[in-house]
Amino acid sequence: DGGITQSPKYLFRKEGQNVTLSCEQNLNHDAMYWYRQDPGQGLRLIYYSQIVNDFQKGDIAEGYSVSREKKESFPLTVTSAQKNPTAFYLCATCAGQPNSPLHFGNGTRLTVT
Amino acid sequence: AQKITQTQPGMFVQEKEAVTLDCTYDTSDQSYGLFWYKQPSSGEMIFLIYQGSYDEQNATEGRYSLNFQKARKSANLVISASQLGDSAMYFCASLPYNFNKFYFGSGTKLNVKP
Repeated sequence: DGGITQSPKYLFRKEGQNVTLSCEQNLNHDAMYWYRQDPGQGLRLIYYSQIVNDFQKGDIAEGYSVSREKKESFPLTVTSAQKNPTAFYLCATCAGQPNSPLHFGNGTRLTVT
Repeated sequence: AQKITQTQPGMFVQEKEAVTLDCTYDTSDQSYGLFWYKQPSSGEMIFLIYQGSYDEQNATEGRYSLNFQKARKSANLVISASQLGDSAMYFCASLPYNFNKFYFGSGTKLNVKP
């Protein structure tokens, strides 16, 4: 089955540590996105990539980094510079047509203490 | 950029009744798409319905319909015959066709009462 896999589902880290969230897709979509969601809030765009080896900052990129070395993979690193990293992180892909919705993974809930 | 406004943080509806969730958008783009997503408490985002800015008819998908009023820049989601499983957060989103960025509203939490 085609889909988007985010791992792990829950992640716990100590403050000051970098952590990398995985996002893998087999939908053959060019565009991939990372969103952050805080409790009771909407989604905010961190980074997005429309093609391999290229990515753009979203609205809240500070303290995050990404890479897009393969079409299938778009890992997100939460660095120690991110002041409030505890959140729910959602990865998504899009086929790129005007009527194409975002397809989301099941998310990773990151807790930093 | 586009701004999406969902003015209803929370709503209640009786089971089997219809409910309308409001969404307005602010854009100068001429071509765009509007999307609605459902997010149950488990966290996954489920795509519900799409409306293109040039579509003359309102979109429908089963019990979901989109009341699209372009001049008023509103794209309200109507859920008919509410079910207990409809209890969730609902997000409105837009996509300007000349960009690849989706813009999301803050969401509406719907509670369906038995």
